[in-house]
Amino acid sequence: GESVGLHLPTLSVQEGDNSIINCAYSNSASDYFIWYKQESGKGPQFIIDIRSNMDKRQGQRVTVLLNKTVKHLSLQIAATQPGDSAVYFCADYSTLTFGKGTMLLVSP
Amino acid sequence: DVKVTQSSRYLVKRTGEKVFLECVQDMDHENMFWYRQDPGLGLRLIYFSYDVKMKEKGDIPEGYSVSREKKERFSLILESASTNQTSMYLCASTQGRNRGETQYFGPGTRLLVL
Repeated sequence: GESVGLHLPTLSVQEGDNSIINCAYSNSASDYFIWYKQESGKGPQFIIDIRSNMDKRQGQRVTVLLNKTVKHLSLQIAATQPGDSAVYFCADYSTLTFGKGTMLLVSP
Repeated sequence: DVKVTQSSRYLVKRTGEKVFLECVQDMDHENMFWYRQDPGLGLRLIYFSYDVKMKEKGDIPEGYSVSREKKERFSLILESASTNQTSMYLCASTQGRNRGETQYFGPGTRLLVL
């Protein structure tokens, strides 16, 4: 079956650092991806999305990069803040498949 | 803002009990989804619905059923709860029928089956 996976289960950074969270997908025909943030005890919250006709998309302090050649996408968070601490996961909406999540821990 | 609400944040049930999880969205969305989320496994689709009285099985429908009598409400039913159904249950909705649309999630229901 299809799979969407994250490379690192936990990422620890210092406040102010840039964070990069990675995700791999397996369906070469997938064309729509979303990154979600999920804080403890809460439902997932939409962060940013990207379609396959783009390689990069930027939001406020976040950037998503899509490399269709190697079926990989990443979420970059600039100037990470303690409030960014959460689980982040990617979703392949073409197959409704979700990554297992990476815990981002931000130290003050 | 889209609002998806779930009837309970926490539930404790006993093995064999019938359990109802309710989800309501207030944006007239056509599509609604039920997932369970387990550590190390991510979100897994249980059932979804594209219209009133319509349902389709997701990846792990065994042990569950659903009901969609009204457009805004999508219920997940555990006919006879088992301990392996202890999980976080998330409801989501989307406006249209295109799978490429953003899903809006509810806050989740943490179910413990003893």
